[in-house]
Amino acid sequence: KQEVTQIPAALSVPEGENLVLNCSFTDSAIYNLQWFRQDPGKGLTSLLLIQSSQREQTSGRLNASLDKSSGRSTLYIAASQPGDSATYLCAVTANQAGTALIFGKGTTLSVSS
Amino acid sequence: GAVVSQHPSWVICKSGTSVKIECRSLDFQATTMFWYRQFPKQSLMLMATSNEGSKATYEQGVEKDKFLINHASLTLSTLTVTSAHPEDSSFYICSARPGGLRGSGNTIYFGEGSWLTVV
Repeated sequence: KQEVTQIPAALSVPEGENLVLNCSFTDSAIYNLQWFRQDPGKGLTSLLLIQSSQREQTSGRLNASLDKSSGRSTLYIAASQPGDSATYLCAVTANQAGTALIFGKGTTLSVSS
Repeated sequence: GAVVSQHPSWVICKSGTSVKIECRSLDFQATTMFWYRQFPKQSLMLMATSNEGSKATYEQGVEKDKFLINHASLTLSTLTVTSAHPEDSSFYICSARPGGLRGSGNTIYFGEGSWLTVV
């Protein structure tokens, strides 16, 4: 059964710092991997989606990498801002049509000004 | 872009009553919808997979008689929490996958979620 682990569980950084969030998954047979942002009490905002054939995706100050063989992904946030404070969730889809996303527990990020 | 709407956004109900949460795909047909539950400071846990016109597939540990899922049309799935108890209080969120060509790439769209509080 696929399991997704995110480290660290929580992270506090001063504004302007670059940071890396880690995600690992036990079954490398994935179709894709997504990073989401969740603000307190809110739904999910999709940040980046990496297909299994891709190595990385970039959007603005965010860069996500995928090493499928080792079961790892990282989300790099450059020049962090207080508005980046949220919980970041990593999720994978199994290599099978119609399957659901399996989520990690998330990393709660706090960026202080 | 695609939009998935959930209703209600929050609901308070008395213990023992039933409450229904709706998940609608507004601009696409969703052959498959997923229901998740999220307890405070926990991750999203998949409850069930709902396919239009057929019975839902429940994850291990999820009571199918308590959490009734109906996917009667290609744009609507409902989750009914029956005989709700305080421990059912949680954040429930649905997601939908478009069918046909739009379903290529395995894109999944999420609703805004529904907060349920059972008192």
